Amino acid sequence: KNQVEQSPQSLIILEGKNCTLQCNYTVSPFSNLRWYKQDTGRGPVSLTIMTFSENTKSNGRYTATLDADTKQSSLHITASQLSDSASYICVVSARGSNYKLTFGKGTLLTVNP
Amino acid sequence: DVKVTQSSRYLVKRTGEKVFLECVQDMDHENMFWYRQDPGLGLRLIYFSYDVKMKEKGDIPEGYSVSREKKERFSLILESASTNQTSMYLCASNSPLSGTSGSPETQYFGPGTRLLVL
Repeated sequence: KNQVEQSPQSLIILEGKNCTLQCNYTVSPFSNLRWYKQDTGRGPVSLTIMTFSENTKSNGRYTATLDADTKQSSLHITASQLSDSASYICVVSARGSNYKLTFGKGTLLTVNP
Repeated sequence: DVKVTQSSRYLVKRTGEKVFLECVQDMDHENMFWYRQDPGLGLRLIYFSYDVKMKEKGDIPEGYSVSREKKERFSLILESASTNQTSMYLCASNSPLSGTSGSPETQYFGPGTRLLVL
């Protein structure tokens, strides 16, 4: 069964600090992995997308890494800001599927002043 | 700027009522999706449409139906709302498989409709 597990479930950090969120998956055959940011009461917004051949991708202060051998990904946030407070969702798609995505349950990040 | 809009941000309905949730996208996407999102469960796919009048069941279609009469509009229908359908409903759209990798294009989500069934 395809699964995506995220850790931690929640995280509280101080503004300006860095943090790393984890994602482990068992989706096969693997096609790509995305990280979404979801502000409270809003729809998710894509941060990064990585295919099998990519092992790192950046979007401003967000850097995602992918290890396809161990089936792990991480999202690193540098110099956190209050606006980074949100839920971060890891989503994995299987090759050959037009629509079937496997969603993680998300990590709720709170950045305090 | 890409845009997916949903007809209501908040909705309160009574048990047994018929409920319509509307979604419109302006990106000429072939694919449209309806998800529900519940605490501790993440996003779950209700229905998917890959073309006008075409639909496929997702993981949790029971109690729901959909309609896609125009490419830009995808409706979710709760024939007889029940309290266990209280949830956040998210619509999304994207283009179909592209390139040799076969990777689906990024899904663009609407702002969500928070539905409360009393």
